[in-house]
Amino acid sequence: GNSVTQMEGPVTLSEEAFLTINCTYTATGYPSLFWYVQYPGEGLQLLLKATKADDKGSNKGFEATYRKETTSFHLEKGSVQVSDSAVYFCALWTQKLVFGQGTRLTINP
Amino acid sequence: ETGVTQTPRHLVMGMTNKKSLKCEQHLGHNAMYWYKQSAKKPLELMFVYSLEERVENNSVPSRFSPECPNSSHLFLHLHTLQPEDSALYLCASSQADRVSGYTFGSGTRLTVV
Repeated sequence: GNSVTQMEGPVTLSEEAFLTINCTYTATGYPSLFWYVQYPGEGLQLLLKATKADDKGSNKGFEATYRKETTSFHLEKGSVQVSDSAVYFCALWTQKLVFGQGTRLTINP
Repeated sequence: ETGVTQTPRHLVMGMTNKKSLKCEQHLGHNAMYWYKQSAKKPLELMFVYSLEERVENNSVPSRFSPECPNSSHLFLHLHTLQPEDSALYLCASSQADRVSGYTFGSGTRLTVV
């Protein structure tokens, strides 16, 4: 079956550090890939998506590139802020969304 | 109002109570979902409704009973819950079979005492 694996959290960084959160997937066919973010006390919000190989999704300074050869969709940001502290979920979609387990990110000032 | 709205935001109930969670979407979507989010566990998909028909029920105990009276509204009826049912319950909607992602509500934080 389809599945998503994210790097174990929690991840703690200092403000302005470079961020990478790894995500790999297993799927039959050609899934679309998503990153969702959950801020404290809130539901999940779509952060970015990519629908085919080599597509790059980007939003709010975050980027992720759909790599079919490595079945990966790693999330990156060049300079994180305290306000980026949240839980990040990688997900794939074929006929329904399948989520990874989430990675908690804390940014210290 | 746009987006997905869930009420109440917080709910405390005893094990013998009956309560309902409500979800409403004004996005014109035709599929709605209930998820359970517990501490230190992955998101669990509970129920899926597409075009107001239940199309998925992931082995959820019968003390949880969903209802989808129309494409804009989704309920989760709760009765005789257990303390381990305490969690954040998230509702989401989407356009079925379209790669648009899901839109989530802010959730109902349920505590069973």
